[in-house]
Amino acid sequence: GAVVSQHPSWVICKSGTSVKIECRSLDFQATTMFWYRQFPKQSLMLMATSNEGSKATYEQGVEKDKFLINHASLTLSTLTVTSAHPEDSSFYICSARDMVVGVSTQYFGPGTRLLVL
Amino acid sequence: TQLLEQSPQFLSIQEGENLTVYCNSSSVFSSLQWYRQEPGEGPVLLVTVVTGGEVKKLKRLTFQFGDARKDSSLHITAAQPGDTGLYLCAGARAGKSTFGDGTTLTVKP
Repeated sequence: GAVVSQHPSWVICKSGTSVKIECRSLDFQATTMFWYRQFPKQSLMLMATSNEGSKATYEQGVEKDKFLINHASLTLSTLTVTSAHPEDSSFYICSARDMVVGVSTQYFGPGTRLLVL
Repeated sequence: TQLLEQSPQFLSIQEGENLTVYCNSSSVFSSLQWYRQEPGEGPVLLVTVVTGGEVKKLKRLTFQFGDARKDSSLHITAAQPGDTGLYLCAGARAGKSTFGDGTTLTVKP
């Protein structure tokens, strides 16, 4: 199956700093990638849809100035958490959409655990 | 808004038992995916079903897509502790996926 990587796998930072998370599709091109946030024992919460070459589409309640998304190439999307605060601590997961014979499938990265002190 | 209702939310069973997880919607999907997620990892794709009425088997796991492509089920036969995890269904339509809330399965040895 298609492979999506995510880096870093975990990060600890001080409150007020910014953190960048990278999501790469390794063996396919993805015009669309997605960023999710997941709290313990809960399902995925879609934060935004990242579109290659254009602005990301944010879900209601997600601050676009705080969670900056850049999708500069067909294999890379980045999520930058700006001025991080302890409440931003969470598990962030990206996915990349692959279209094969008209069937859309999302493949997920392994996730990034963020801890803001 | 396309809602995908997944049930049950939590399931705790003994090793060797059978179980079924359901995903239901009032919307028609072009395809539906099932994922399994272990703690601290990203969801891993198990299967994609596309055709109404389609049945796919993956060892002890049987996936079925409803005839109207609005619902799906995942049946596990003789569950093992290694099946423990969060199971997610996702319906795809117009290039966008809607996820169920997940089923947390615990299989006790």
